[in-house]
Amino acid sequence: GAVVSQHPSRVICKSGTSVKIECRSLDFQATTMFWYRQFPKQSLMLMATSNEGSKATYEQGVEKDKFLINHASLTLSTLTVTSAHPEDSSFYICSASAGTGDSSTEAFFGQGTRLTVV
Amino acid sequence: GQNIDQPTEMTATEGAIVQINCTYQTSGFNGLFWYQQHAGEAPTFLSYNVLDGLEEKGRFSSFLSRSKGYSYLLLKELQMKDSASYLCAVMDSNYQLIWGAGTKLIIKP
Repeated sequence: GAVVSQHPSRVICKSGTSVKIECRSLDFQATTMFWYRQFPKQSLMLMATSNEGSKATYEQGVEKDKFLINHASLTLSTLTVTSAHPEDSSFYICSASAGTGDSSTEAFFGQGTRLTVV
Repeated sequence: GQNIDQPTEMTATEGAIVQINCTYQTSGFNGLFWYQQHAGEAPTFLSYNVLDGLEEKGRFSSFLSRSKGYSYLLLKELQMKDSASYLCAVMDSNYQLIWGAGTKLIIKP
């Protein structure tokens, strides 16, 4: 299957700093990328959907200014957690799809990033 | 509202067969996915069903009944490495994935 690389896998940062998480599709062009957040023992929660070259669409309740998403190319999307606080500590997962959201194209997941804010 | 239901936890014995059920109520339907997720890792794709019936892939099979809003994932010849959470997700009419909370499967020797 296709490969999606997410980096870093783990990060610890101080409260108030910003953290950038990268998601790259290595062997296909990702027209659409999804960013999820998962709290322990809970389901994946979609944060936002981004299409290359356009602004991300955020889910209700997700702060756009706090979770900055950039999808500048067909192989790279980034999520920046700005002014991180301990409550932002979570597991963040990206997935990438070659579809445009109107097809059943399988989405491939990155490895996930464990963010701990201290 | 949209809802995906699956059991929270199941236990099975190594070498046996286990069936994980998933029922859904969504705004439209554009396919149902099953993912496997080991603790601390991202989910990995197992199967996709959009038509009624059974899809078999090695030790894993997935079944769908759209009229009943029901799917199951069948795991045969269970191995210890199959201990994981299994997530059911439905793509709705807006092509958004609605996720279940996952079923934690515990395999005992």
